[in-house]
Amino acid sequence: EDKVVQSPLSLVVHEGDTVTLNCSYEVTNFRSLLWYKQEKKAPTFLFMLTSSGIEKKSGRLSSILDKKELFSILNITATQTGDSAVYLCAVTPTSGTYKYIFGTGTRLKVLA
Amino acid sequence: DAGITQSPRHKVTETGTPVTLRCHQTENHRYMYWYRQDPGHGLRLIHYSYGVKDTDKGEVSDGYSVSRSKTEDFLLTLESATSSQTSVYFCATAAGESEAFFGQGTRLTVV
Repeated sequence: EDKVVQSPLSLVVHEGDTVTLNCSYEVTNFRSLLWYKQEKKAPTFLFMLTSSGIEKKSGRLSSILDKKELFSILNITATQTGDSAVYLCAVTPTSGTYKYIFGTGTRLKVLA
Repeated sequence: DAGITQSPRHKVTETGTPVTLRCHQTENHRYMYWYRQDPGHGLRLIHYSYGVKDTDKGEVSDGYSVSRSKTEDFLLTLESATSSQTSVYFCATAAGESEAFFGQGTRLTVV
C-alpha cells in the first residue's frame, strides 16, 4: 500500500529559526513528490520534485528529493510568524490513474 | 489561482439524510478529486475522476458516491450521512503531470 509519512507531527520555533520538515514515502512506481502549505483554508502549492538531488528554491523555502532513500525535506530559513501553517507532502505514483497521496502533515507554529 | 468553487461551504445535516456536495471548475482540468480532512489524518482520498463519466475509488470511499457528467462538475454524495462523515471536504483538480489545485473546502457536520 502506498504511504507517505511526515515528521515531526508538530513543531514550535521562534522567529528567525531554521526548520527542516521531513517526508518519507513508500510508493509503487514513484512519479513525483509535492509540498503544500495549508493555513486556515485550502492547501497552496509550494514545490514539485521529480529528480533526485536537485534543489527547488523559492525565497526562504527550499526542498530536495532523495529517490534512493525515498524521502524529501522542506527547509525554511529565517522563519516568520506568517510561516505558521500545516505543511503537507504528497506523492504521485505512475501506476494507475494520476492521483495524489498525502501524508498527515506537519503543523508549524512560529512564535514572535 | 485555478477557478474551483465548492458548494455549499458549510452544511449541518441530520444522520440518515442524503447530502450532495458540488465542485465546479473553470480550468478544463481532466482530473478531479474529493478528499476529506480530519485531525491526525491529513488529506484522505475519497473518489477521483479522470474524465467525464470516468471515476474510481480512493482509500476511504465507503458510504460515498460520485458523478461527473460534465468536465466542469464533480459531485460527491453521501447516501445516508453518518456522524463519522463529519469532516472538512476538499475538492481538487489537476491537468495531469503537475500540481493539484484545491477548492476552499466544505465543512460538513452530521448531527
